[in-house]
Amino acid sequence: KQEVTQIPAALSVPEGENLVLNCSFTDSAIYNLQWFRQDPGKGLTSLLLIQSSQREQTSGRLNASLDKSSGRSTLYIAASQPGDSATYLCAVRPSGNNRLAFGKGNQVVVIP
Amino acid sequence: NAGVMQNPRHLVRRRGQEARLRCSPMKGHSHVYWYRQLPEEGLKFMVYLQKENIIDESGMPKERFSAEFPKEGPSILRIQQVVRGDSAAYFCASSLTADKFDGYTFGSGTRLTVV
Repeated sequence: KQEVTQIPAALSVPEGENLVLNCSFTDSAIYNLQWFRQDPGKGLTSLLLIQSSQREQTSGRLNASLDKSSGRSTLYIAASQPGDSATYLCAVRPSGNNRLAFGKGNQVVVIP
Repeated sequence: NAGVMQNPRHLVRRRGQEARLRCSPMKGHSHVYWYRQLPEEGLKFMVYLQKENIIDESGMPKERFSAEFPKEGPSILRIQQVVRGDSAAYFCASSLTADKFDGYTFGSGTRLTVV
């Protein structure tokens, strides 16, 4: 059974600092990994999708890396802004099925 | 180009009533997935449907829960005789295909409160 862990569970950083969010998963047999953003009481917004054959994906200030063999992904957010305050969710799609396995999230607060 | 639409956004039911949650996938998407997020928990897979077919219901409780995705209209997640433990946020996602390269698009969720 695929287990996904996100560390740290919560963090606060001053505006302008770079954010580093970690995701680990127990089974390296995956199709892809997706990072989402969830605002309080809201839905999930897809940020980046990394295929199993890829090492990283970038979108603006966001960069996500994937090391499938060691079961790790890292989401970097450069020059954080108060608007980046949210919960970031990592989801893994295991090989052979369509059931995403989610971590519990990294809850981020960016202090102005 | 509307995304995944879920309604209602909030739903309050008394214990023993029925809850019906609706999900309209993105235009052109024929694959629908339901997930549940309990307080302080991660999202958990419930069921995967294609038009008129349940493909994978391995995450669905055996009793009181059912799902459908008819040929016409939205997907429906139905919870009969709700209990307090059913209080959660229910999210629907859709994808264009079942291809392993496809990502999922999620709706805003339905927050169910059982009183």
